[in-house]
Amino acid sequence: AQSVTQLDSQVPVFEEAPVELRCNYSSSVSVYLFWYVQYPNQGLQLLLKYLSGSTLVESINGFEAEFNKSQTSFHLRKPSVHISDTAEYFCAVTPLAETSGSRLTFGEGTQLTVNP
Amino acid sequence: EAGVTQFPSHSVIEKGQTVTLRCDPISGHDNLYWYRRVMGKEIKFLLHFVKESKQDESGMPNNRFLAERTGGTYSTLKVQPAELEDSGVYFCASSQWANGPYGYTFGSGTRLTVV
Repeated sequence: AQSVTQLDSQVPVFEEAPVELRCNYSSSVSVYLFWYVQYPNQGLQLLLKYLSGSTLVESINGFEAEFNKSQTSFHLRKPSVHISDTAEYFCAVTPLAETSGSRLTFGEGTQLTVNP
Repeated sequence: EAGVTQFPSHSVIEKGQTVTLRCDPISGHDNLYWYRRVMGKEIKFLLHFVKESKQDESGMPNNRFLAERTGGTYSTLKVQPAELEDSGVYFCASSQWANGPYGYTFGSGTRLTVV
């Protein structure tokens, strides 16, 4: 079984400030890792994912996350946030062994609020 | 292509009543999933269909919940009778068979409030 812990439920920051949303996971098997984002009144959207290869993955809107196997972490970062980044962010994992149609295990979410 | 559609977007019902949520996946997506988020907690898996068959329903909380996917197209999730603790946001997602979690597309969710 897997579990995901998002260490901060609320993260308020000012516009153009850097931000880090923390995610730690626990699993007895290797996992794939994901960050999803939910903007107000919208569905969950995949932000970025780590499947294999380089441990640093990037999204098209400036977010990046680094997979750290020894620390079982997958923290999400952005060097300079915008008002439009205000949303709830979810970290999720799924085991490698079940690559077709497998379930995701989510964290409790982190509400990022960017203030002017 | 059209996304995953869920309706209603909101539903408020009284305890003891029945509610049916519907999910229309992306056309051609064999995999359909239901997830639920209760009271700001984590999003939890409920079940997984492959076409019309239930692949995994281990996340269904109890027998008051019934999910169907007739003909392998849209799916319904019925709660009967609804209890207060069933309140939350119900998400549906779909993916093509080969993609698995790589290609999940989520709907906007149905917010269910049981009063």
